[in-house]
Amino acid sequence: DQQVKQNSPSLSVQEGRISILNCDYTNSMFDYFLWYKKYPAEGPTFLISISSIKDKNEDGRFTVFLNKSAKHLSLHIVPSQPGDSAVYFCAASAVDFGNEKLTFGTGTRLTIIP
Amino acid sequence: EAQVTQNPRYLITVTGKKLTVTCSQNMNHEYMSWYRQDPGLGLRQIYYSMNVEVTDKGDVPEGYKVSRKEKRNFPLILESPSPNQTSLYFCASRQRREYEQYFGPGTRLTVT
Repeated sequence: DQQVKQNSPSLSVQEGRISILNCDYTNSMFDYFLWYKKYPAEGPTFLISISSIKDKNEDGRFTVFLNKSAKHLSLHIVPSQPGDSAVYFCAASAVDFGNEKLTFGTGTRLTIIP
Repeated sequence: EAQVTQNPRYLITVTGKKLTVTCSQNMNHEYMSWYRQDPGLGLRQIYYSMNVEVTDKGDVPEGYKVSRKEKRNFPLILESPSPNQTSLYFCASRQRREYEQYFGPGTRLTVT
């Protein structure tokens, strides 16, 4: 049962345009959401997060939006740069019997076209 | 430099030969986890530890063991590896769930 879903395995965007990566979740107990970025041969690195008490969080070119009623979050990258080409994982956190567990999506491979 | 280290980075072994993948972090984090990454399945948690001597199963613990005798180290043990454990493994640590989780560089394991 995939509780965190990234339905687009890949996405290609022209350099300078907006990249929008989507993530859906099913568990209403999730209350903290994160995005990670992964380059080949490296571990994932934290990008941006959002608490369920907010609906938007910005950090430079990166903005995460949370729609709790739709159980949906999205990551916007504006403007997209070649260095943004990577796999992006959405993750959600809930406290489950004392386990502060992070559940990851399957990832979206973003390719920025110069 | 704050980091999570894993060793080895690459390992090819045969079915049934016990192996250990080491993980160490230098950030004094309480919380450590092991994940495996497989195509189409994302990152799945194998085991986690909330502090020294406190460990528990994640989503896919079968065939794995862990120990947490010191805060900085969290080794992953495969007592009798099988081909379905061929995967990319990541160790991670964090201080609190609100904080970002730091990942190691990964260990690519092949079991033949």
